[in-house]
Amino acid sequence: QQPVQSPQAVILREGEDAVINCSSSKALYSVHWYRQKHGEAPVFLMILLKGGEQKGHDKISASFNEKKQQSSLYLTASQLSYSGTYFCGTEEGGGNYQLIWGAGTKLIIKP
Amino acid sequence: NAGVTQTPKFRVLKTGQSMTLLCAQDMNHEYMYWYRQDPGMGLRLIHYSVGEGTTAKGEVPDGYNVSRLKKQNFLLGLESAAPSQTSVYFCASSYLTEQYFGPGTRLTVT
Repeated sequence: QQPVQSPQAVILREGEDAVINCSSSKALYSVHWYRQKHGEAPVFLMILLKGGEQKGHDKISASFNEKKQQSSLYLTASQLSYSGTYFCGTEEGGGNYQLIWGAGTKLIIKP
Repeated sequence: NAGVTQTPKFRVLKTGQSMTLLCAQDMNHEYMYWYRQDPGMGLRLIHYSVGEGTTAKGEVPDGYNVSRLKKQNFLLGLESAAPSQTSVYFCASSYLTEQYFGPGTRLTVT
């Protein structure tokens, strides 16, 4: 079942923060986050494997609450280069590496 | 390293025609995937492969076939194209977790 991402879209000024959520109705083994710029292929940001795990990548970090079956992506002090559509991919069974993808959250950063 | 490449980049087909999309990777990855992405939507898995000579169905396999005769190549075939197959097709490969995507093939079926 497709995970639900929220919000569908968000518009920020450069320097502002954003949170993107990804929720599943099923128990999750891992959550993957990717960013896709218009007309390009998705690019890997990070993977969260354990419940409660939090990872960081520059000013982009994420958390994974295994009990709530949800993950959140945090973008702090956003830069123009953060613009794009963010997708979460959820893995239900460990080790099969098949991802079910959310519909995406479009992030627009204005100067 | 070229990473993941896809051929062709664009294609227009008429209903009922057939075609094959080629995906090649030079990273020696075991896992390869074919996705389709429709406007404003996420990726949907068509077929995937966990190694040379093996393939498996994903979420939306109907109307597509795949083959993985060589580890570095993963082919996606459309036997009789339909307008509902108009989409952008992405191939990806992975060793374990991170998936590396090709640039995509934009397919239009009229």
